[in-house]
Amino acid sequence: GNSVTQMEGPVTLSEEAFLTINCTYTATGYPSLFWYVQYPGEGLQLLLKATKADDKGSNKGFEATYRKETTSFHLEKGSVQVSDSAVYFCALVTTDSWGKLQFGAGTQVVVTP
Amino acid sequence: NAGVTQTPKFQVLKTGQSMTLQCAQDMNHEYMSWYRQDPGMGLRLIHYSVGAGITDQGEVPNGYNVSRSTTEDFPLRLLSAAPSQTSVYFCASSWAWGQTSSYEQYFGPGTRLTVT
Repeated sequence: GNSVTQMEGPVTLSEEAFLTINCTYTATGYPSLFWYVQYPGEGLQLLLKATKADDKGSNKGFEATYRKETTSFHLEKGSVQVSDSAVYFCALVTTDSWGKLQFGAGTQVVVTP
Repeated sequence: NAGVTQTPKFQVLKTGQSMTLQCAQDMNHEYMSWYRQDPGMGLRLIHYSVGAGITDQGEVPNGYNVSRSTTEDFPLRLLSAAPSQTSVYFCASSWAWGQTSSYEQYFGPGTRLTVT
């Protein structure tokens, strides 16, 4: 079956620090990969996505590259802000899963001034 | 354009009570789904629907029922609430499988349910 493994949180950073959240996956079939973000008290929002190997998704200063050889999709941001404090979820969907997202456990990120 | 809406935002039930969590979307999406979010476990799929009149089970369907009589609405019914169903419930929708944008799911704000 499909599975997603994320680094555990919370991750605490100072403003302007570099952020990396590791995500690795196992999948039957050929997955598309996503990062969702959940701000406090809200639902999930799609942050970025990549649908084939070597694709780089980017949005709001965040980036992630689909690495098939290492089955990874690590999220990075060069300079975080307090407003980036949230829970980040890595997820995948495969061609045989009919749109059913498989989520990682989520990583809480706390950015302090 | 309201997107995906859920009601209620909060609910407290006693063990054995039943209730329905409401979900509606105004984007004409064929695909709708229900997830529950528990600490340390990410989101787990309860039930999903690929169109009006079509539903199927996800990863954790026991204790929940769904139906899809219209494209817009996808209610989730708790038949006899148990403390193990204490969770945050999210509804999501997307275009049907096969279209370029079908992978992006739009989430509602969630319903926080406590069963005592």
